[in-house]
Amino acid sequence: NAGVTQTPKFRVLKTGQSMTLLCAQDMNHEYMYWYRQDPGMGLRLIHYSVGEGTTAKGEVPDGYNVSRLKKQNFLLGLESAAPSQTSVYFCASSYGTSRYEQYFGPGTRLTVT
Amino acid sequence: AQSVTQPDIHITVSEGASLELRCNYSYGATPYLFWYVQSPGQGLQLLLKYFSGDTLVQGIKGFEAEFKRSQSSFNLRKPSVHWSDAAEYFCAVGAPSSRFGNEKLTFGTGTRLTIIP
Repeated sequence: NAGVTQTPKFRVLKTGQSMTLLCAQDMNHEYMYWYRQDPGMGLRLIHYSVGEGTTAKGEVPDGYNVSRLKKQNFLLGLESAAPSQTSVYFCASSYGTSRYEQYFGPGTRLTVT
Repeated sequence: AQSVTQPDIHITVSEGASLELRCNYSYGATPYLFWYVQSPGQGLQLLLKYFSGDTLVQGIKGFEAEFKRSQSSFNLRKPSVHWSDAAEYFCAVGAPSSRFGNEKLTFGTGTRLTIIP
């Protein structure tokens, strides 16, 4: 049982490049979330999903897209990276009966130059 | 909308000393409250949670927190810290909702804990 895993762990992009971050969970959780963590700002919710095939915007969704084609996977895409998207990205998941208790992945450190 | 304030950005404590990390929330009713810990280079791990009932909750690693409605606070405590407790601690609040899709957490900005020998 690996819990929540994220791929890749580190990435450097040039401005304007695109990339996809992959989050996978093996706990059969319905809910999945993408956060970004910036110094002094805590975690801010980007997008989330309450089930396969559904997504919704969080607090800071601009510049990101997501997809949840399979229950265990939640993808975060950056179509045209900007330096302001330099951050650490965390994925989390939770299950229906206790959906507020979120389990986090180890994070992806993204630098956009 | 709910909000969370962690007034202390950085706290330094001697090993073996007691610890209290402050958390204040803003919400119109009783929220769900959480403390998470993040070790360097790691994701967040849930320490403890409060949904209802007894206002003093016990968590993992010897931590406890007390919900005080009158002060809108949910402070984290530990009677004797260990060097391994050095980490960043996040308080979070969730608004109780029966409507699926509203179960989002709002996180505080974190308190970094340093332990000195």
